[in-house]
Amino acid sequence: EPEVTQTPSHQVTQMGQEVILRCVPISNHLYFYWYRQILGQKVEFLVSFYNNEISEKSEIFDDQFSVERPDGSNFTLKIRSTKLEDSAMYFCASSAANNQPQHFGDGTRLSIL
Amino acid sequence: AQSVTQPDIHITVSEGASLELRCNYSYGATPYLFWYVQSPGQGLQLLLKYFSGDTLVQGIKGFEAEFKRSQSSFNLRKPSVHWSDAAEYFCAVGATGGGNKLTFGTGTQLKVEL
Repeated sequence: EPEVTQTPSHQVTQMGQEVILRCVPISNHLYFYWYRQILGQKVEFLVSFYNNEISEKSEIFDDQFSVERPDGSNFTLKIRSTKLEDSAMYFCASSAANNQPQHFGDGTRLSIL
Repeated sequence: AQSVTQPDIHITVSEGASLELRCNYSYGATPYLFWYVQSPGQGLQLLLKYFSGDTLVQGIKGFEAEFKRSQSSFNLRKPSVHWSDAAEYFCAVGATGGGNKLTFGTGTQLKVEL
């Protein structure tokens, strides 16, 4: 069964540094999402992306965050200047349509030191 | 704004016993509803979904859920729990338009006693 893949599985970064989290969505999917889960808390929506532009973003997704689909297969989340509170598990998801289920990757654990 | 409440943070059941995990949602229209399961260190696996039609939906691993509009609920059930079902379960509501963001509940941690 096709799946969403995320790399790396764990990223350790110094505060203030830029980090890029990478995702390969399911190949025929058109809608892409990023969520995060701070340890012990619930999964929170960050951003949705369709047709090469952001469809919706949460208040968490401020100017420090950006998303990009640099080619036909990858979908990236960039955090420009990381803060301690950015430490979380970041999940990428994709769906075939906006009324179809979202399929999640295994996540990238981001640790900010 | 959409929201999801999972009132039970932890549930412990014996292997072979039946299971019901509660989920209540708030959404202004007919929602899309989902249950996901997360094993330690893993991503979110879709168990089942409700979009429309039959209010009793079947999912993977023997799970089912029933959409009750009058109670704004979407409880997850399984008639006989297996030890491998121990995990965290998340209920989610999806917007039926726009960016289709999912709003998750806080999750229910299921422990299965042998």
